[in-house]
Amino acid sequence: EIVLTQSPGTLSLSPGERATLSCRASQSVSGNYLAWYQHKPGQAPRLLIYGASSRATGIPDRFSASGSGTDFTLTISRLEPEDFAVYYCQLHDWSPFTFGPGTKVDIK
Amino acid sequence: QVQMVESGGGVVQPGGSLRLSCAASGFTFSSYGMHWVRQAPGKGLEWVAFIRFDESFKGYADSVKGRFTISRDNSKNTLYLQMNSLRPEDTAIYYCGGIWFGPNPDYWGQGTLVSVSS
Repeated sequence: EIVLTQSPGTLSLSPGERATLSCRASQSVSGNYLAWYQHKPGQAPRLLIYGASSRATGIPDRFSASGSGTDFTLTISRLEPEDFAVYYCQLHDWSPFTFGPGTKVDIK
Repeated sequence: QVQMVESGGGVVQPGGSLRLSCAASGFTFSSYGMHWVRQAPGKGLEWVAFIRFDESFKGYADSVKGRFTISRDNSKNTLYLQMNSLRPEDTAIYYCGGIWFGPNPDYWGQGTLVSVSS
């Protein structure tokens, strides 16, 4: 079973700065079926990216993602106030749809 | 207007059972694979279970396999999670989610709290 690790655990940045989040898999991810989610306290998760690099419906283009095999990256080009949240990567090829432990992006 | 309304959460003793429901409207529920995802207090997201749009496949996290059962009724646009042999570590907010992993939007419930405590 594939294990996902995310780094850093916490990223402290200011609005307008660029955020770079990493997700690493213990084995190669089949078909690059990797998703990214945003999760804010008291809210449901929100799908940002699927297939490693495709933006989900309605996601602003300041969110981009790349990667293949075992190494994946989510980039937020210029942080808006509403972007401060926890971000998770997730396998979405088939069951189990494992999540990574998350990266918290907080305000510096 | 899309709605995903969860119900059935509450407080239960260890070893007890609960059944969560997630009633969907405003989108083609019968076309979506559906998931349950949970978040324990102070922890990250944990995927719990998945059911294919046509019920042809069901998958579970190892932590709930053999205790939880996911099901759906496409005629009622409703997703279920039957939770048996509950443990304190099952305490969490449970979210239902319809996720396409494609060009169609994802839809989520507001979350329902399950607390397992004596």
